[in-house]
Amino acid sequence: EDKVVQSPLSLVVHEGDTVTLNCSYEVTNFRSLLWYKQEKKAPTFLFMLTSSGIEKKSGRLSSILDKKELFSILNITATQTGDSAIYLCAGGSGTASKLTFGTGTRLQVTL
Amino acid sequence: EPEVTQTPSHQVTQMGQEVILRCVPISNHLYFYWYRQILGQKVEFLVSFYNNEISEKSEIFDDQFSVERPDGSNFTLKIRSTKLEDSAMYFCASGGGQLRRMNTEAFFGQGTRLTVV
Repeated sequence: EDKVVQSPLSLVVHEGDTVTLNCSYEVTNFRSLLWYKQEKKAPTFLFMLTSSGIEKKSGRLSSILDKKELFSILNITATQTGDSAIYLCAGGSGTASKLTFGTGTRLQVTL
Repeated sequence: EPEVTQTPSHQVTQMGQEVILRCVPISNHLYFYWYRQILGQKVEFLVSFYNNEISEKSEIFDDQFSVERPDGSNFTLKIRSTKLEDSAMYFCASGGGQLRRMNTEAFFGQGTRLTVV
């Protein structure tokens, strides 16, 4: 059975801190690793990673994939209160890129 | 910016009733999905749909569930006889434009919260 495990489950930081969120995966016929941000309802797409060692960056967020260790991290620098959300990691597999999600990391950024 | 739209945003139904959840995927996407999230739990895959047929389905997607793309824009999920445990947020997603194959991002709609009473 495919499995995605995220850590930590929750995290409280002060505004301006840097955080690292972890994701390990065991996904049959793995194709891609995706990160989403979930605030109130829908997961909002952040990154898709398919190759090891190539960092993807968007503003203060960045992510990298290690396909040998079956691991990905999401970094957020200079956190802001608007970064408070649940961050979801998902492994994409199969011919139609079915996603297997982790339980998420709940990030709270305080003033 | 194109987005996936879902209706209704919230539906309350009695146990045993049929419900149809509706989705309009992003217009040039080729892959369509339904996921669900029971309150406090992880997002779970239900079904993927490509080229007018189911590509893959999970164990959750039993005979009570069906999907349809009745026209060029809508994508529906039908639950024939709802059970209490079907109460969840149901997300539609789409991905894979004309020039893309697999390894495609999935963009999610805002969800339909289904409450079975």
